[in-house]
Amino acid sequence: KQEVTQIPAALSVPEGENLVLNCSFTDSAIYNLQWFRQDPGKGLTSLLLIQSSQREQTSGRLNASLDKSSGRSTLYIAASQPGDSATYLCAVGSSNTGKLIFGQGTTLQVKP
Amino acid sequence: NAGVTQTPKFQVLKTGQSMTLQCAQDMNHNSMYWYRQDPGMGLRLIYYSASEGTTDKGEVPNGYNVSRLNKREFSLRLESAAPSQTSVYFCASTLDRGSSSYGYTFGSGTRLAVV
Repeated sequence: KQEVTQIPAALSVPEGENLVLNCSFTDSAIYNLQWFRQDPGKGLTSLLLIQSSQREQTSGRLNASLDKSSGRSTLYIAASQPGDSATYLCAVGSSNTGKLIFGQGTTLQVKP
Repeated sequence: NAGVTQTPKFQVLKTGQSMTLQCAQDMNHNSMYWYRQDPGMGLRLIYYSASEGTTDKGEVPNGYNVSRLNKREFSLRLESAAPSQTSVYFCASTLDRGSSSYGYTFGSGTRLAVV
């Protein structure tokens, strides 16, 4: 059974820091991996999608990497801003079930 | 382009009442999903529809029914609401289930309280 773990569960950093959020998964048979952002009381906004054949994707200050063999993905946020404060969710598309499996999320607070 | 639209946004039900959560997407996606999100439990799949005319159970289907009305619409019904169904419900869609090139698009959620 595919399991997705995100560490840390919560993170607080001062504005301007570069930071890394981690996501690990137990089964390397995935078809893609997606990072989402969720603001309190809101829905999920897709940030980056990495196909299983890709190693990384970039969008602005965000860079996500994927290492299928080790079952790991990282989301790198450069020069963090208070507006980046949110919960970040990692989700893997399981090749065996065709379903999207979510981690529990990392709640980020960026202090001014 | 509205994406995935869910109605209602908020609802309070009494135990035993029924209701239907509506979801519609305008992206011509084939696959649609219903998730619930609870503190400490993350997002869990309730039901999904891989294509028009098909529906399948997810992780937590008990107490729910679904209808894929057409390609655009996928509804979730609570026949006899229970306090354990208090949650935030999200509808999502993707072009084709299991496709590496396409991600999921989520609606803004329905916040349901059963008292």
